[in-house]
Amino acid sequence: SQTIHQWPATLVQPVGSPLSLECTVEGTSNPNLYWYRQAAGRGLQLLFYSVGIGQISSEVPQNLSASRPQDRQFILSSKKLLLSDSGFYLCAWTGGVPINYGYTFGSGTRLTVV
Amino acid sequence: SQQGEEDPQALSIQEGENATMNCSYKTSINNLQWYRQNSGRGLVHLILIRSNEREKHSGRLRVTLDTSKKSSSLLITASRAADTASYFCATLTYRDDKIIFGKGTRLHILP
Repeated sequence: SQTIHQWPATLVQPVGSPLSLECTVEGTSNPNLYWYRQAAGRGLQLLFYSVGIGQISSEVPQNLSASRPQDRQFILSSKKLLLSDSGFYLCAWTGGVPINYGYTFGSGTRLTVV
Repeated sequence: SQQGEEDPQALSIQEGENATMNCSYKTSINNLQWYRQNSGRGLVHLILIRSNEREKHSGRLRVTLDTSKKSSSLLITASRAADTASYFCATLTYRDDKIIFGKGTRLHILP
């Protein structure tokens, strides 16, 4: 069966420090991968998505970046965190074109920038 | 850009009652999906309804879709305390391979 792993679960980082969040999927190949951010009490904002290795689409220009070094690995990074980067970060995957399938989400990373 | 908008933003009902949440969207869709999020957790996919479908059931869940009104509703029958969560609708348009979420409805089931 397919599983998705996201870590760390919580993170407290000072302003200006770097960030690296990792997401991996098991039990499938060539998944579509997504990074979402959720501000407190708000909906989900799509940040990046990837349909293949090295293919990254950015939805919101900001100081975050994403990379997909391997088929089932998706990494969210920042060189210098801002206070506004605080939030709940969620990774998700779907198999191929998501016409008939819902997304499977990881358990999320709570990031607090202080 | 915001595609789906849920209504109401928050809903409190007694255990055993039915809960209805609505979602409106702006552009033509391929499908519409509903998700549940327990506090501080990831989202769980509940049900997907395609644009050519009008109603779908899954256990105590019933979803309707009215493409002429660009709206959907999620009905949870015989609510339970465990149904307390936020519920999000998400839409997939024909142009994209990504789904866009609304802001969600916070449902609280009172004992």
